[in-house]
Amino acid sequence: QKEVEQDPGPLSVPEGAIVSLNCTYSNSAFQYFMWYRQYSRKGPELLMYTYSSGNKEDGRFTAQVDKSSKYISLFIRDSQPSDSATYLCASGSGTYKYIFGTGTRLKVLA
Amino acid sequence: GAGVSQSPSNKVTEKGKDVELRCDPISGHTALYWYRQSLGQGLEFLIYFQGNSAPDKSGLPSDRFSAERTGGSVSTLTIQRTQQEDSAVYLCASSLRQGMGNEQFFGPGTRLTVL
Repeated sequence: QKEVEQDPGPLSVPEGAIVSLNCTYSNSAFQYFMWYRQYSRKGPELLMYTYSSGNKEDGRFTAQVDKSSKYISLFIRDSQPSDSATYLCASGSGTYKYIFGTGTRLKVLA
Repeated sequence: GAGVSQSPSNKVTEKGKDVELRCDPISGHTALYWYRQSLGQGLEFLIYFQGNSAPDKSGLPSDRFSAERTGGSVSTLTIQRTQQEDSAVYLCASSLRQGMGNEQFFGPGTRLTVL
């Protein structure tokens, strides 16, 4: 079992939809959680960073961590075609090393 | 430049040849990472450099892979006797400091194809 699991998709939604992207992790020591967005042929860029449990909101994006179920979510409201990308979750426990999920490909249709 | 740069952007090589991939991190960033991204595999950690400390090489898949970082800045990832399974995108990232919560800034990657 991988330490961080993520459904690879692809996920297609109409413009304006609410998108839910999810990851599960197995290491209960993980305290740091990140979401990266990666456009085609580009490097990943940090979207959201969360420490421990709870929610964090930034504009149309909300990151949620449930440590009791080891579940990480990213919600995108009012999705736009420009949100079409691969979304990677990552988790870590306090060293410098993050474990990344495989990424979920999202396509928002105009 | 403002971001992490990598060269070449694409590299096609024949099986058995050696390749060198270069990473220029953001100026002043002390931490540097190399990752490999294969289809359906996500980002696989390869090696980590932090300042003058000994690098963490625990992610290198075989002794054909090596990396160095000169003067705490530019890094080179070398793959000797390339194999077809080495085909992937090799990503470099840097961060201002070591440790969790420090954002990793990624370069655009080098797409390696081994024929």
